[in-house]
Amino acid sequence: NAGVTQTPKFQVLKTGQSMTLQCAQDMNHEYMSWYRQDPGMGLRLIHYSVGAGITDQGEVPNGYNVSRSTTEDFPLRLLSAAPSQTSVYFCASSYLASGRFYEQYFGPGTRLTVT
Amino acid sequence: LAKTTQPISMDSYEGQEVNITCSHNNIATNDYITWYQQFPSQGPRFIIQGYKTKVTNEVASLFIPADRKSSTLSLPRVSLSDTAVYYCLVGVSREDSSYKLIFGSGTRLLVRP
Repeated sequence: NAGVTQTPKFQVLKTGQSMTLQCAQDMNHEYMSWYRQDPGMGLRLIHYSVGAGITDQGEVPNGYNVSRSTTEDFPLRLLSAAPSQTSVYFCASSYLASGRFYEQYFGPGTRLTVT
Repeated sequence: LAKTTQPISMDSYEGQEVNITCSHNNIATNDYITWYQQFPSQGPRFIIQGYKTKVTNEVASLFIPADRKSSTLSLPRVSLSDTAVYYCLVGVSREDSSYKLIFGSGTRLLVRP
């Protein structure tokens, strides 16, 4: 049971480039989400999904796209990288039943630098 | 929206009990309250979750008053390794039953020898 895995661990992009951050979980969790955390700050929700085929925006969705074609995978796509997107990105998943969220499991994070 | 408010920072000494309070005035009827711990360069880690009254596990207790507008995380006899940021989390429900899990700004706990 690997839990939540994220790739890559580190990434450097030039302004304007696009890339996809990968996230996978093997716990059959319905709920998955992406957060970003800037240095010394709290976590901000980018996008989330309550099941395959269902995604929605969080607090800071601009500049990011997501898709959820399977229960296991929830990739985050940066459309045109900007220096303001330099951050650590965390993916999380949770069991969701009858509207109740259980423990969220977080991945190890991806450190992204945009120059 | 169920916004949470916590103290920015707290100091304590090893062996003391630490209580961190979170305010969530607009908590919805179905929302649970969850606390997470985060060390530098790591993702948050679940500590405890509750709905009302008191919940206790091997690492912490969670006290929730009847009106559920606040909650208090209690860490008994803290050690240096409890130095971390602690987040209180409440679901933000929408009419169509989709939910956002919004983190507050967290409380930075420093445990001194």
